[in-house]
Amino acid sequence: KQEVTQIPAALSVPEGENLVLNCSFTDSAIYNLQWFRQDPGKGLTSLLLIQSSQREQTSGRLNASLDKSSGRSTLYIAASQPGDSATYLCACHGGATNKLIFGTGTLLAVQP
Amino acid sequence: DTGVSQDPRHKITKRGQNVTFRCDPISEHNRLYWYRQTLGQGPEFLTYFQNEAQLEKSRLLSDRFSAERPKGSFSTLEIQRTEQGDSAMYLCASSLATVGYGYTFGSGTRLTVV
Repeated sequence: KQEVTQIPAALSVPEGENLVLNCSFTDSAIYNLQWFRQDPGKGLTSLLLIQSSQREQTSGRLNASLDKSSGRSTLYIAASQPGDSATYLCACHGGATNKLIFGTGTLLAVQP
Repeated sequence: DTGVSQDPRHKITKRGQNVTFRCDPISEHNRLYWYRQTLGQGPEFLTYFQNEAQLEKSRLLSDRFSAERPKGSFSTLEIQRTEQGDSAMYLCASSLATVGYGYTFGSGTRLTVV
């Protein structure tokens, strides 16, 4: 059974700092891994999708990496801004199950 | 395409009442998923459809819950005899039945049972 863990559960940083969010998963037989952003009381916005054959994906100030062999992914946010404050969720798709399995998220607060 | 639409955005209901939520996926997506999210937790899988066929249901989906996707387009999720523990955000997502294709989520329906 796939289990996804995100560390830290919460993070507070000053504006402008670079930061890394961590995601680990137990079953490496995944099709892809997706990072989402969720603002309070809102739905999920997809940030980056990494296929199992890829090592990283970049979009603007965001960079996500994937290491299937170690069951880890990281989301790197460069030059953080107060507007980046949200909960960040990672989710794995595939392996023994045909659905996304989510971690519990990292609540990020960027202080102006 | 306007993405995945969910209706209503918010629903307050009294315990014991029935509620129904609707999800309209991206039109070309043949897979549709329902998830439930409680405060401080990640979304939990409830069920999914490929076209009109319901292919998997979670143990979380008690017999008070039923989901349909009658024509392979929009879907409804009904909760009968609501309980306070049903209070949560109900999220819908759609995708293609293609290996490696990502999910697109809607804005969710926030259910409060009083």
